Amino acid sequence: AQSVTQLDSQVPVFEEAPVELRCNYSSSVSVYLFWYVQYPNQGLQLLLKYLSGSTLVKGINGFEAEFNKSQTSFHLRKPSVHISDTAEYFCAVSESGGSYIPTFGRGTSLIVHP
Amino acid sequence: DVKVTQSSRYLVKRTGEKVFLECVQDMDHENMFWYRQDPGLGLRLIYFSYDVKMKEKGDIPEGYSVSREKKERFSLILESASTNQTSMYLCASSSLNEGASNYGYTFGSGTRLTVV
Repeated sequence: AQSVTQLDSQVPVFEEAPVELRCNYSSSVSVYLFWYVQYPNQGLQLLLKYLSGSTLVKGINGFEAEFNKSQTSFHLRKPSVHISDTAEYFCAVSESGGSYIPTFGRGTSLIVHP
Repeated sequence: DVKVTQSSRYLVKRTGEKVFLECVQDMDHENMFWYRQDPGLGLRLIYFSYDVKMKEKGDIPEGYSVSREKKERFSLILESASTNQTSMYLCASSSLNEGASNYGYTFGSGTRLTVV
C-alpha cells in the first residue's frame, strides 16, 4: 500500500517570494501523483498531475512539480507567489493499474503575507 | 462549468435526524466517492462506488450508508445524525481510464454539515 508524507503542515511566505511545498511518497509499484488546492470553504481543485513522460509537470496558476523517482518525491514549486495563493495544498498518490483509490497527504497550509 | 455538484453548501440538522447528501456528476465517470474532512485528520474515505448499484466501504463507513441508483448520482445517508458527524463532506468522481488525459479526481464544492 502507498503512503504520502507532506513534510510541512504550514508554510508562511511573503508575497512575490518563491515557495516549495514538499511531498514524499512510498510505494512498491509505479505511481500516479497529484497536487490539489483547496481554498477556504471550497472543494479540492486539481493543480497538476504526473501520469508518465516528462518528470517536470506544469499546472495551473503558475505552479509546477518535479517527479523524482529515486527520492520518491513530488515537490510543488512556484517562483513568485501572490496573496491569492493562500490555501491548503494536498499531495496524493495512486498506484498504476490499481483500483485508483488515491492516498492523500495531510495537507500543507500556504500562507502568503503582504 | 460545474462538473460535480453537491446539493447543499451548508446544512444544519438535529441529532437523530436522517440526513441525505446528494452528489451529481456530468462527466460520465464510473467512480464516485464520499470523503469527510476534519482539521488535523485530512481527508477520510467513507464510501465509494465503481458502478451503478455497487458500493464499497472506505476507511470510516460506520454511521453512514450510500445509494447509487444512477451512474451520475451518488448519495450519502446519515441514518441517525450525531454531533460527531459535524464535518465538511466532499464528493468526488473519476474515470476508470488511466490513460485518459483527464484522469484524476474532480471534487464538488463540499457540504459543511453541522449537527446540533
